[in-house]
Amino acid sequence: GAGVSQSPSNKVTEKGKDVELRCDPISGHTALYWYRQSLGQGLEFLIYFQGNSAPDKSGLPSDRFSAERTGGSVSTLTIQRTQQEDSAVYLCASSVSTDTQYFGPGTRLTVL
Amino acid sequence: RKEVEQDPGPFNVPEGATVAFNCTYSNSASQSFFWYRQDCRKEPKLLMSVYSSGNEDGRFTAQLNRASQYISLLIRDSKLSDSATYLCVVYRGSNYKLTFGKGTLLTVNP
Repeated sequence: GAGVSQSPSNKVTEKGKDVELRCDPISGHTALYWYRQSLGQGLEFLIYFQGNSAPDKSGLPSDRFSAERTGGSVSTLTIQRTQQEDSAVYLCASSVSTDTQYFGPGTRLTVL
Repeated sequence: RKEVEQDPGPFNVPEGATVAFNCTYSNSASQSFFWYRQDCRKEPKLLMSVYSSGNEDGRFTAQLNRASQYISLLIRDSKLSDSATYLCVVYRGSNYKLTFGKGTLLTVNP
């Protein structure tokens, strides 16, 4: 069946520009997560959605980062005024039960 | 202390070797434990869950010691296709997020 999909797969942007990253979870998965993985680092939790609400935004690194989810399905992660330190792979995961999470292929963001 | 710590690696082993990865976690309230595998430039994929009684899936054996807060993964008769980064993952339950170790890179050589 269809897995988690993310778009774009690669994004190159200039410092200071805004970017939007999209995640389409597995159909029927109510929980959705965003993580990021920087070069040489482990996966870092960003935000968790249950349905359309985000009970845990604790991992968002700054107020330049925001995320929303509509219709209990697609989620968008927005980074405003991008900085070079935002360069990373942004991974989305979804789940039915909250422990077993299935990851999408990620969006590789490069900020020049 | 980091919440999840793993052997830093990298591990380079010949085909057919047995290799063991270790992991410790700091939060005794952690509820569920996993090993994920991540191939180069790919997303992490669930390899196996780890149960207190220990569990096996083919050539892979996972062990959990709650008293020591220690998790292990043993790979027997390693194959070239086992080359990947192995991530130790802990789920605390109360805040829904998975906490990942930094991973251990395994390269199996012909």
